[in-house]
Parts: sequence; C-alpha cells; structure tokens
Amino acid sequence: AQSVTQLDSHVSVSEGTPVLLRCNYSSSYSPSLFWYVQHPNKGLQLLLKYTSAATLVKGINGFEAEFKKSETSFHLTKPSAHMSDAAEYFCVVTQVASGNTGKLIFGQGTTLQVKP
Amino acid sequence: EAGVTQSPTHLIKTRGQQATLRCSPISGHTSVYWYQQALGLGLQFLLWYDEGEERNRGNFPPRFSGRQFPNYSSELNVNALELEDSALYLCAERGPGYNEQFFGPGTRLTVL
Repeated sequence: AQSVTQLDSHVSVSEGTPVLLRCNYSSSYSPSLFWYVQHPNKGLQLLLKYTSAATLVKGINGFEAEFKKSETSFHLTKPSAHMSDAAEYFCVVTQVASGNTGKLIFGQGTTLQVKP
Repeated sequence: EAGVTQSPTHLIKTRGQQATLRCSPISGHTSVYWYQQALGLGLQFLLWYDEGEERNRGNFPPRFSGRQFPNYSSELNVNALELEDSALYLCAERGPGYNEQFFGPGTRLTVL
C-alpha cells in the first residue's frame, strides 16, 4: 500500500528566508512523487515531479525537492520565500507499475504562510 | 492551449437532489480523473476514466458515478446528495510523463 505523510500542517516563514516542507512516503513499488500547490480557491498546479531519474528535482518558481530512498523522504525546499508562495502544498505519490496508473495518493497538505 | 476546464464553477443543491459536474480535458487526451476535496478529509481519488471506460474507483458509495463521452469529456453524477458531499470536486487529465496529472479549477458543490 502507498501513503504519504506531510510532517507539518502549517509552516510560517518570513519573506526572503528559506522554505522547508517535509514529506515522507511509503510505497511497495518504485514510486513517482510529486509536489502540487493550491492557491486559495484555485485548482492544483504541479510544482515538480520525481520519476526515478535524478534524485534532486528542480521545479517551477525556484522550488526543488530531493528524493532520499534511505529516509523515504521527498522534502520540498526553496532558498528564499516570496509573498506569492503563500498557499497549500501537497506531497503526492503514485506507483510506477503496469495497470496502476490511475490513482494519486495525497498527503494532508501543508499551509505555507509568508510574513512580510 | 487551454488546460482542463470544469463546469459549473459553483453548484448549490439541497439534500436528496442530484448533481452533475462536467470536465473537458485538452483535446485528444483520453484519461480523466475525478477527486473530491472535502474540508477535513483532504483530497481523495474518486474515479478514473480512459477511452470511455471506468478504469478505477475510489472508496465512495455507488451514488457517485460518472461517464466519459466519445470526445473524452466526462461527467460526474452524485445522486441522493448528502450534506457531507459538500466539497471541491477536481478533474484532472494525465500528463505526457504518464504518471503526473494536470488539474482543472474545480467545481465547488454546496449541499444545503
């Protein structure tokens, strides 16, 4: 079975300081991992994805994430927060296996607050 | 090129009624996924359609159903609405990388 745990429900940072949103996953098979962002009253936007290529993945808007198999983690980072980064962030897993390409498993989400 | 579109944006129904939500993927994209985002319950997988067939279903009662049309657009129907069906319903299509999905803006369903 697959699951995702986002370790913080709420993270608050000051503008210009680093962002760290933590995610641990569980998967019986080789996972594909994603981070999505949801701004208020909007749909989900794909930030970045890991699909067994490079373990350090770069995404949009300066975000990146590192896949660490030994720690079963996929933490999202950004060197310098911007006010526009304030949103809900979801860590997502799906398994790379034939016949199982339909379902994304979402973490509970982390609300990122950016203070001026 | 426009992304996934959903209609209506908002839908208000009363308990016991039926709701119909619509989704259109980018032209030619055959897979459509439905998710429910309810307050306190997070994002949960509902249904997956591909090539007109239901391929996978989440842990939802049978009153949640849908279909996919020949042009690959999709409908989600919720019968006998209950208060707890109030949620944001998101539709997604499969991206070119095979596993990622791209989401529409959602339909906010409110059941009174």
